[in-house]
Amino acid sequence: EPEVTQTPSHQVTQMGQEVILRCVPISNHLYFYWYRQILGQKVEFLVSFYNNEISEKSEIFDDQFSVERPDGSNFTLKIRSTKLEDSAMYFCASRVTGDQPQHFGDGTRLSIL
Amino acid sequence: GESVGLHLPTLSVQEGDNSIINCAYSNSASDYFIWYKQESGKGPQFIIDIRSNMDKRQGQRVTVLLNKTVKHLSLQIAATQPGDSAVYFCAENMRNDMRFGAGTRLTVKP
Repeated sequence: EPEVTQTPSHQVTQMGQEVILRCVPISNHLYFYWYRQILGQKVEFLVSFYNNEISEKSEIFDDQFSVERPDGSNFTLKIRSTKLEDSAMYFCASRVTGDQPQHFGDGTRLSIL
Repeated sequence: GESVGLHLPTLSVQEGDNSIINCAYSNSASDYFIWYKQESGKGPQFIIDIRSNMDKRQGQRVTVLLNKTVKHLSLQIAATQPGDSAVYFCAENMRNDMRFGAGTRLTVKP
């Protein structure tokens, strides 16, 4: 069964550094998402992306965050200047249409030192 | 604000028993709900979904019930197995994203 893949599985970065999290959504999916999950808490929406532009973003997704689909397969989340509170699991998700279930990758654990 | 929430944070059941996990939502206009299972170190995994034109939907060993009158949905797992131990989230589909509840941790005792 096709799946969403995310790399790396664990990223350790110094505070203030830039980090790029990578995702390969399921190939025929058109809607792409990033979520964040701080340890022990619920999954929080960051941003949705469709037709090469952001559809919606949450309050968490401030100017330090950006997303990009640089080619036909990858979907990336960039954090420009990381802060300690950015430490979390970051999940990528995709779906075929806006009214179907989202399929999630296994996440990237981001640790900011 | 409007949100999706869980009644209980933890649930412990005996292997072979049935499990019921509950979820309340507050947006009466919501028309699509999804249950996800999250195992340790993994992403949320789709279990079953239901649309607002239905009251009940069954899958393999799982049933979702939707009560629109009281804005409540539940996930029933029949003959719970050790492999069912995980955190279960209900999610409310919004126009451009999903809103997750806090999750219920299900522990299955042998």
